[in-house]
Amino acid sequence: DTGVSQDPRHKITKRGQNVTFRCDPISEHNRLYWYRQTLGQGPEFLTYFQNEAQLEKSRLLSDRFSAERPKGSFSTLEIQRTEQGDSAMYLCASSLASGQAYGYTFGSGTRLTVV
Amino acid sequence: QQQVKQSPQSLIVQKGGISIINCAYENTAFDYFPWYQQFPGKGPALLIAIRPDVSEKKEGRFTISFNKSAKQFSLHIMDSQPGDSATYFCAANTDKLIFGTGTRLQVFP
Repeated sequence: DTGVSQDPRHKITKRGQNVTFRCDPISEHNRLYWYRQTLGQGPEFLTYFQNEAQLEKSRLLSDRFSAERPKGSFSTLEIQRTEQGDSAMYLCASSLASGQAYGYTFGSGTRLTVV
Repeated sequence: QQQVKQSPQSLIVQKGGISIINCAYENTAFDYFPWYQQFPGKGPALLIAIRPDVSEKKEGRFTISFNKSAKQFSLHIMDSQPGDSATYFCAANTDKLIFGTGTRLQVFP
């Protein structure tokens, strides 16, 4: 297990299409987080899971966004009816417990371009 | 109250010099303050972190100074190298990380 992996690395889609991203966390990590990062900005929190339970969603996560972690392992983030403003890097991170004691490990992200 | 303010936005330092990046926060519930380094096309990587009951932590050339009463913390990079050229983010944790806006560091030979 070499870290957090995200797939795909890049995605170009037409406005109005649906896209789905996958995140595979470090296997023993029970927390999984999704962040969005636009150019020149820090990552913004979207949502997080503890095991399979989605514990918090940011108001940035509009009703076009949905995230799942069905068996407490990998997670998917789906964006429906994509808009140009959704273009960003989507980052996944995982941690043991709250991350304070053990830190968060980030994946390399999925860069989404909506044209 | 959830914001973390970071400055400067960009920093240019000569090789061998000291790079200093500052952050400030409001929420006293934050319990962990990491710094992340990010290279283009990569995710953020943990550099060094501190808890609020400690005033300073040093790891190699990287030092965090933490002032709990002022709600401020800073990253010092000693003997800055061209390989340190990256974007640096401070962050603060409750049960998730809240990031600052980032500092783009360029170290020239």
